[in-house]
Amino acid sequence: DAGVIQSPRHEVTEMGQEVTLRCKPISGHDYLFWYRQTMMRGLELLIYFNNNVPIDDSGMPEDRFSAKMPNASFSTLKIQPSEPRDSAVYFCASSQPPGRGHGQFFGPGTRLTVL
Amino acid sequence: ELKVEQNPLFLSMQEGKNYTIYCNYSTTSDRLYWYRQDPGKSLESLFVLLSNGAVKQEGRLMASLDTKARLSTLHITAAVHDLSATYFCAVEINFGNEKLTFGTGTRLTIIP
Repeated sequence: DAGVIQSPRHEVTEMGQEVTLRCKPISGHDYLFWYRQTMMRGLELLIYFNNNVPIDDSGMPEDRFSAKMPNASFSTLKIQPSEPRDSAVYFCASSQPPGRGHGQFFGPGTRLTVL
Repeated sequence: ELKVEQNPLFLSMQEGKNYTIYCNYSTTSDRLYWYRQDPGKSLESLFVLLSNGAVKQEGRLMASLDTKARLSTLHITAAVHDLSATYFCAVEINFGNEKLTFGTGTRLTIIP
């Protein structure tokens, strides 16, 4: 398997623009997670899905952020409108069903810069 | 709210030395994970500890879990430069929901 795939790897945009980040989890993984990493706040869980259904979105910073998972092989994280403070590395991760205990597998990340 | 604390936050050590990174957490859990992150890279899974007393070893790294003390350690033996990275512990508090809470990370620098 190719692992978790994220696109784009780098995104530079201007304040106010819409940004869409994409993720393809590992095939057969039932859970998908979106994280944000910054120097100041470390690694934060934004939202996670189980079988395409959002389970916990308490980490989503505000209404400008939204995430979807229309099917088992694709998820998006959208920021509209974007702000400079959204600049961070966004990671997607996936994991197998509960009880397997293998942990989460992370994608390469998307480095977002909002000017 | 679960809190996961690592110490030290920064560690600079000489090659060949031994050292330990500590991970304390505030809520009962028997599942703990260690990850490694190289600068500008993603997180790579190192160890999965699933029960009290669990010990895992890979090369110069050894991880252990004491659920009663709510403590996990990552021990480095005879450090080499290739181990320079940031190490994160992560705790799963509700068995089966796969949600992890990450520690702050320990940035390890091995000096030749």
